[in-house]
Amino acid sequence: EIVLTQSPGTLSLSPGERATLSCRASQSISSGSYLAWYQQKPGQAPRLLIYGASSRATGIPDRFSGSGSGTDFTLTISRLEPEDFAVYYCQHYGSLLTFGGGTKVEIK
Amino acid sequence: QVQLVQSGAEVKKPGASVKVSCKASGYTFTSYVISWVRQAPGQGLEWMGWISAYNGNTNYAQKFLGRVTMTTDTSTSTAYMEVRSLRSDDTAVYYCARDERRLLNLWGQGTLVIVSS
Repeated sequence: EIVLTQSPGTLSLSPGERATLSCRASQSISSGSYLAWYQQKPGQAPRLLIYGASSRATGIPDRFSGSGSGTDFTLTISRLEPEDFAVYYCQHYGSLLTFGGGTKVEIK
Repeated sequence: QVQLVQSGAEVKKPGASVKVSCKASGYTFTSYVISWVRQAPGQGLEWMGWISAYNGNTNYAQKFLGRVTMTTDTSTSTAYMEVRSLRSDDTAVYYCARDERRLLNLWGQGTLVIVSS
């Protein structure tokens, strides 16, 4: 089973700043394709942001971007909007499914 | 409107069972898989397993084998997830999600299950 480790646990930033979130896998994710990112706001269900490591899901603004391959993946939010302050989870998907522990992006 | 609507909150005693429902609308239910994910208070997301709405095939996370059963009723486009022998650490919000090759692109609103004596 692939274990996903996200860092940092909490990121304190101001609106307009750039956010860089990391997700490291315990073993190489084949072709890097099976890595996704979700956003979760308090009291809400998660929302799919990125799949295939770098493809934006339908309706996701282009300030969100994903990159990486092998064991190291990154979610970047180019300029934080007030609605972007939330918890972000990476996810490996294949026949099974695992989530990272999450990164909270909070207002500084 | 494409959506998943889950059943309401439950309070159960330790050792009891709970069955959560997830009703799909706005899409062809049998064309997708449903995954179940839970989230303990203040914690992260934990995948529990999936069920094919097409043929009923299931795949459970190792942790839940033998204690969780997922079923579907195609006549009502509803998926169900039952957890038996509840413990206090089963207290969580349980989500169903439409699963497209393990990408969860549509989620229910969540069902809070509280296990307390």
